[in-house]
Amino acid sequence: DTGVSQDPRHKITKRGQNVTFRCDPISEHNRLYWYRQTLGQGPEFLTYFQNEAQLEKSRLLSDRFSAERPKGSFSTLEIQRTEQGDSAMYLCASSRKNEKLFFGSGTQLSVL
Amino acid sequence: GESVGLHLPTLSVQEGDNSIINCAYSNSASDYFIWYKQESGKGPQFIIDIRSNMDKRQGQRVTVLLNKTVKHLSLQIAATQPGDSAVYFCAEISIIQGAQKLVFGQGTRLTINP
Repeated sequence: DTGVSQDPRHKITKRGQNVTFRCDPISEHNRLYWYRQTLGQGPEFLTYFQNEAQLEKSRLLSDRFSAERPKGSFSTLEIQRTEQGDSAMYLCASSRKNEKLFFGSGTQLSVL
Repeated sequence: GESVGLHLPTLSVQEGDNSIINCAYSNSASDYFIWYKQESGKGPQFIIDIRSNMDKRQGQRVTVLLNKTVKHLSLQIAATQPGDSAVYFCAEISIIQGAQKLVFGQGTRLTINP
């Protein structure tokens, strides 16, 4: 257990539905990252927060995706109008400044 | 664009043998490199890192070698154990405004045979 907690661990939804995932980082880490990982591939960067500020977003993050970190602690990632191509493992990671990332166990999303 | 990749997608070794997992990268401006281990149903777990100004670093049963001339990175695991079975990713890291930007390779699945 790295100390980064993600919920839920698994989510099955129908195409067109909205889903929301939660990440609780290690408490003293002010940097929080979201990654997406498809089967057999390495994780791909989606977005990054420093405290409550979202400082960077990948081109992978379409307008159906939104991430928030309202109080600089936990973060949520919402996907609206899900598509089958959204099926993936969504990983959250946190870190201190200039230090290594600790990953959570991820939320496995299956869109039917 | 820049990419980090692996030479082999799968590797099988006998328990107790040494294993070597390879990685090729293309961005010579990376600050450092990390090897991650990912077991089924879990997130990537840090194994060892190496700064771009180093060519070798050793940990417990693991050694990472960096050859900047040919842009090649390897992970050596000594005396492999069943618990070493996992997918291994190399990642190159650039530090931008205090944040670590990771680019992962495709991964190598290591299987330890009893």
